[in-house]
Amino acid sequence: SQQGEEDPQALSIQEGENATMNCSYKTSINNLQWYRQNSGRGLVHLILIRSNEREKHSGRLRVTLDTSKKSSSLLITASRAADTASYFCATVPSNFGNEKLTFGTGTRLTIIP
Amino acid sequence: DTAVSQTPKYLVTQMGNDKSIKCEQNLGHDTMYWYKQDSKKFLKIMFSYNNKELIINETVPNRFSPKSPDKAHLNLHINSLELGDSAVYFCASSQAVWADTQYFGPGTRLTVL
Repeated sequence: SQQGEEDPQALSIQEGENATMNCSYKTSINNLQWYRQNSGRGLVHLILIRSNEREKHSGRLRVTLDTSKKSSSLLITASRAADTASYFCATVPSNFGNEKLTFGTGTRLTIIP
Repeated sequence: DTAVSQTPKYLVTQMGNDKSIKCEQNLGHDTMYWYKQDSKKFLKIMFSYNNKELIINETVPNRFSPKSPDKAHLNLHINSLELGDSAVYFCASSQAVWADTQYFGPGTRLTVL
């Protein structure tokens, strides 16, 4: 079964606004990763956050991780039309022998110009 | 320079046929993967190879046979194609196994008629 559930499934905002996507997962993790997928394209890695980290930044992206709640959020600030894409969280479990990357259901983000 | 490439990009074929998808990475990575993305965008791992050795086979029917002639290539051969095999297949690579950033190819859209 899938590890991550993302919320919301779809999000539409005006250009320039901030977009927040959430990811919840079920088991203890080694790390959590966020990927972007533009329509008809492959996935592009955005940020990797390890289980002992609480927050990471990359440009306009901010990721938080709360291991006590088994959840993560991705914030995109000052959104642009080019941010329109599907965003996936993916987790690597911490238990040895089960280190497969498991993807969430994805959030479809639409930025309205 | 394309980091992870796949051929073909589109593949349309009849039920019962045998087809192959090729994947190459020029990143010098040790680990390569095959994922299947269904019509609901759910992405699931199929296989993983590390240094040409199979390390993950995620309960995929034995009609699917991966082959890794060298570290830079991981091909996927599918026998006796079925309607349910229609999906987008992604190849990916990473430097280390799992707990590392993965780099995805552009995908191969397989349609079985």
